[in-house]
Amino acid sequence: DIQMTQSPSSLSASLGDRVTITCRASQSIGNYLNWYQQKPGKAPKLLIYAASTLQSGVPSRFSGSGSGTDFTLTITTLQPEDFATYYCQQTYSTPWTFGQGTKVEIK
Amino acid sequence: EVQLVESGGGLVQPGGSLRLSCAASGFTFSSYWMHWVRQAPGKGLVWVSRINSDGSSTSYVDSVKGRFTISRDNAKNTLYMQMNSLRAEDTAVYYCARHFPAKQWLDYWGQGTPVTVSS
Repeated sequence: DIQMTQSPSSLSASLGDRVTITCRASQSIGNYLNWYQQKPGKAPKLLIYAASTLQSGVPSRFSGSGSGTDFTLTITTLQPEDFATYYCQQTYSTPWTFGQGTKVEIK
Repeated sequence: EVQLVESGGGLVQPGGSLRLSCAASGFTFSSYWMHWVRQAPGKGLVWVSRINSDGSSTSYVDSVKGRFTISRDNAKNTLYMQMNSLRAEDTAVYYCARHFPAKQWLDYWGQGTPVTVSS
């Protein structure tokens, strides 16, 4: 199985900050990498697919980059509604695996 | 509007069984592959299983192989997960989600149904 490792596991940031979350795959996955946002008690929401394509309706302050084994989710100008947990997911091979999550908290 | 509504969760004793359902609406259910993803309390997301559009192909995470069975009824627009020989470690919120073939991402998720395995 492909292991996905996110860093950091949590971070504290202020409104307006730029935030970067990293996801590393245990083997090359091309661009088969997605990012989800989850708020407490809610279902995950797709933010970015195929490493860098913004899902419809997602604000442009979210962006993704990377290919192969190393990927990044960036949030520019952090907004109150962005405080949540973020997960990366590889869909290169079954089982589709998720990173352990990165919790973005208010500083 | 796309909707996925899970049901069937609850409290069950270790070794017991449960069948989850996911009712789909607002899209052509028979065109989509469907998945189950679970989340233990305070933990991360774990992909559990998927089924292709016509139900002819399935896949499972190792930890549930031989105990869980995913299925679908395209006439009823419903996805199922039969869970047998349940263990405490199966305690989680179970989400159903969809993906369109050749688009390798889960674009809509249900709200989840909780399963608690405890004596």
